[in-house]
Amino acid sequence: VQLVESGGGLVQPGRSLRLSCTASGFNFGASAMTWFRQAPGKGLEWVGFIRPKGYGGTTEHAASVKGRFTISRDDSNSVAYLQMNSLKTEDTAVYYCTRGQAETTTLYWFDPWGQGTLVTVSS
Amino acid sequence: EIVMTQSPATLSVSPGERATLSCRASQSVGSNLAWYQQKPGQAPRLLIYGASTRATGIPARFSGSGSGTEFTLTISSLQSEDFAVYYCQQYNYWPPWTFGQGTKVEIK
Repeated sequence: VQLVESGGGLVQPGRSLRLSCTASGFNFGASAMTWFRQAPGKGLEWVGFIRPKGYGGTTEHAASVKGRFTISRDDSNSVAYLQMNSLKTEDTAVYYCTRGQAETTTLYWFDPWGQGTLVTVSS
Repeated sequence: EIVMTQSPATLSVSPGERATLSCRASQSVGSNLAWYQQKPGQAPRLLIYGASTRATGIPARFSGSGSGTEFTLTISSLQSEDFAVYYCQQYNYWPPWTFGQGTKVEIK
C-alpha cells in the first residue's frame, strides 16, 4: 500500500498549482481520499476529501480553501488531485495525501500517508 | 468544529520510562479518536484508531484509552525510535477533521 505525491514547488502568489497523489497496492476506486497540509513548524490541517464513486464521488473542502482548491480523482489511473488556484503565502506547507479508513460506518481515520510534497508560495 | 487540546506540549522522558499523553475534545466524540506519530521530516503514521485499537504493525508498548472527551496515549517503555511528535485526531464530526496541536516527546 503506497501513496506518492508530486507536483509541489515554488509558485508566486495568485498563481495555480496541481498536486497529484498516485496510489498503489489497494482498491483505489473503493477508497475515500483526503489531502492534509502542514505549514512549517505547525500542526496538521485538513484540506479536502473525496468520497469513492460508490458513495457519489462528492467532495468536501476546508473553509480556508473553499472556492480556491478542488479535490478530484481519476480511478482509472489511481490518482487523486488537488487543484490549487489563487494561491496565498499562507498556503505554504507540506501537502500530504492519505486514504480514509473506516469499518462499518463512514467515520474515517487516515492510513497510510504519502511522503508529502512541499508547496512554497512566495514572490 | 470540534477543538482538540493535547497536554503537555512537551514531555521529557528517559528511555525505558513510561510516557502518558493526554487529549481532550471540546465535546464528546465517542470512541472516534485516532493517534498519529510524526518524526522530523516524515509523514504522520497511524498508531491507534477507535481510541484503543492498534494499527497494523504498531508495537504493543503503545496503548490508547478513553472515550467521550478524555483520551490517553501511553507508551509503556520508551524506545529511542519513539521520540517524536504525537497528534490526536477526532473523526466523529466531519468535516472538518480536527487535530490536537501535538505533544513532543523528547529525551530527558
